[in-house]
Amino acid sequence: AQTVTQSQPEMSVQEAETVTLSCTYDTSESDYYLFWYKQPPSRQMILVIRQEAYKQQNATENRFSVNFQKAAKSFSLKISDSQLGDAAMYFCASPNYGQNFVFGPGTRLSVLP
Amino acid sequence: DGGITQSPKYLFRKEGQNVTLSCEQNLNHDAMYWYRQDPGQGLRLIYYSQIVNDFQKGDIAEGYSVSREKKESFPLTVTSAQKNPTAFYLCASPLGQGPGNTIYFGEGSWLTVV
Repeated sequence: AQTVTQSQPEMSVQEAETVTLSCTYDTSESDYYLFWYKQPPSRQMILVIRQEAYKQQNATENRFSVNFQKAAKSFSLKISDSQLGDAAMYFCASPNYGQNFVFGPGTRLSVLP
Repeated sequence: DGGITQSPKYLFRKEGQNVTLSCEQNLNHDAMYWYRQDPGQGLRLIYYSQIVNDFQKGDIAEGYSVSREKKESFPLTVTSAQKNPTAFYLCASPLGQGPGNTIYFGEGSWLTVV
């Protein structure tokens, strides 16, 4: 069964600093994708970034980037120049191919002014 | 604009009552999902449907029921058999069947038992 683990229930970062959120996963698929979603206090789920497993280059979206270690099944999210609006729950997710998406338990990120 | 619409945003249920949460999408997606989220927790899959007139139980289906009579609609009924239904419910739909497709979410519905 597909599993996604986020070992940090809560994290905090000073405004303008950099923070890294961890995610590990387990899959039997050879071709897969990984996603990070953000859930602000409004509860709306927002796609942050996605990574294709067969691509060696780490995905980047503005201040958000990933460190994808396929052999270690690790998929961490780095947020640079943190802003107050980055405060949210962050979920790592992996599609369970042909069935549904599996989400990690989430990391609550606080940004300190 | 295309998207997923959930209603109502807030719903109160008396013990012993069945309630139905609506989920409608105009994205022309085949698959639709229902997730439950408890405070400070992740998303747990209740039911999913890959195509019209077909649906499968997720990890926590007990006390819930669904139907998928139309491609656009995937209502979730919370029955009286669900002993602890107070939670936030999210309806979602992936862009396609492939492994790289982004999943789109509705804005969610809060259900509280009174």
